[in-house]
Amino acid sequence: QKEVEQDPGPLSVPEGAIVSLNCTYSNSAFQYFMWYRQYSRKGPELLMYTYSSGNKEDGRFTAQVDKSSKYISLFIRDSQPSDSATYLCAMSTLQGAQKLVFGQGTRLTINP
Amino acid sequence: EPEVTQTPSHQVTQMGQEVILRCVPISNHLYFYWYRQILGQKVEFLVSFYNNEISEKSEIFDDQFSVERPDGSNFTLKIRSTKLEDSAMYFCASSDNLGETQYFGPGTRLLVL
Repeated sequence: QKEVEQDPGPLSVPEGAIVSLNCTYSNSAFQYFMWYRQYSRKGPELLMYTYSSGNKEDGRFTAQVDKSSKYISLFIRDSQPSDSATYLCAMSTLQGAQKLVFGQGTRLTINP
Repeated sequence: EPEVTQTPSHQVTQMGQEVILRCVPISNHLYFYWYRQILGQKVEFLVSFYNNEISEKSEIFDDQFSVERPDGSNFTLKIRSTKLEDSAMYFCASSDNLGETQYFGPGTRLLVL
C-alpha cells in the first residue's frame, strides 16, 4: 500500500463550482498536512497547512483532516480559471527537518 | 515577499559529468531540503540539512550526491557522475526555526544525455 494516495485526475469543472480534492494515507504517524499548488513546470506553492483533525479555512480554500480515517481534503469554493493547476497533498511525521511525503497530485482544470 | 531562488533554471549535461545545482533559501530559515520530480511522477524527498549537517536522506541520495552550505546564503546539491535516470526537476526548499512549513523554489530542470 502506498504511503500517500491521491487520485491523479484529471478533474475538469465549470467556473464557480465547488472542487473537492482528496488524499488518503496509511502511516498513522503523519501529524502535519499540507496542500501545495503547482503550475506547469513551476515549484510547489504552499496553500494550506494543518496539524490537527478538523477544518481550516483561508479565503476560498478549506482544508479538512480526519486522522481517524486517515483522510484529508481540500475544498475550493467559487473556483476560478486561475485555480487550474496540479494540487499536491503532502504530509510529515514531525516538525523540524522532516521529509515531506507527497501524493501523486491531482490535475485540475476550471473551465470558463 | 521572500522566496527561495534556484540557479540555473535549466541544465543539460552529458552522462558521467558532474553538476552543481544552487539554491538561495529564505534568509532567516534554518532547515534546507532537496527534492526531485521525474516527469509525470511524484515529488520525492532527497535530503534535509540542518545546523550544517544532513538530518535525513532518502535511498535515492546515494554516494553520488552531496550537499553543502558553502557560505551563509547558498545551499548546493552536487551530483558527481550523472546518470540518465538523474534527469528530473530538482527543487530546493527551506523552512524556519519551527520547521512547520516548507517553501519551495522554482526548480532546476536537469537533462542528462
